[in-house]
Amino acid sequence: QSVLTQPPSASATPGQRVTISCSGSNSNVGSNPVNWYQHLPGTAPKLLIYSNNQRPSGVPDRFSGSKSGTSASLAISGLQSEDEADYYCAAWDDSLSGSVLFGGGTRLTVL
Amino acid sequence: QVQLVESGGGVVQPGGSLRLSCAASGFTFSSFDMHWVRQAPGKGLEWVAFIRYNGKTKYYVDSVKGRFTISRDNSERTLNLQMNSLRGEDTALYYCARGRSGYVDAFDIWGQGTMVTVSS
Repeated sequence: QSVLTQPPSASATPGQRVTISCSGSNSNVGSNPVNWYQHLPGTAPKLLIYSNNQRPSGVPDRFSGSKSGTSASLAISGLQSEDEADYYCAAWDDSLSGSVLFGGGTRLTVL
Repeated sequence: QVQLVESGGGVVQPGGSLRLSCAASGFTFSSFDMHWVRQAPGKGLEWVAFIRYNGKTKYYVDSVKGRFTISRDNSERTLNLQMNSLRGEDTALYYCARGRSGYVDAFDIWGQGTMVTVSS
């Protein structure tokens, strides 16, 4: 099963704004909500954004999500050193008998 | 507090079997859909399997169909993954994750993971 397409890496300096893209197809991103996860090494992944643009309680409003057609984006504003992590998008895929697809992940480096 | 704790990982030879478990606490386990997600060394996250809150619907990633079986015991608040005919490519850290209420594919609670190594 294919993955959703993310850039393998991104970088920015503290205080800047960075966006991470996620490209899919009509059977996943195009027809289902997109969720985003933050994963720091050695810890459990954390739900950052669900249903395209909703933040769970406790997630700072520096993190925002959007979707248009078969592409989605995660934006992080006011970048902080602790934001350095791997970020994954994910979405349900309708083309097979039920499955969740993850993006390949984007390693964010705070310079 | 809301918590998921996996167990059962270990080293197994190719072709062997393992049974992973995930103990839930701090929430009404029987009301939530559950998933297994894995991460192979140096790789990204991969969804493995899903089970509906009542156990009546199950889905699997193609690569494990016919080899892995997801199950749950709501009375014991436990999620399981029976893994048979294990292959080297199944080597990974296995997480159990809860589907957020109303958003089945948004994993809002994760365990710390249990490591499975398939090697001769």
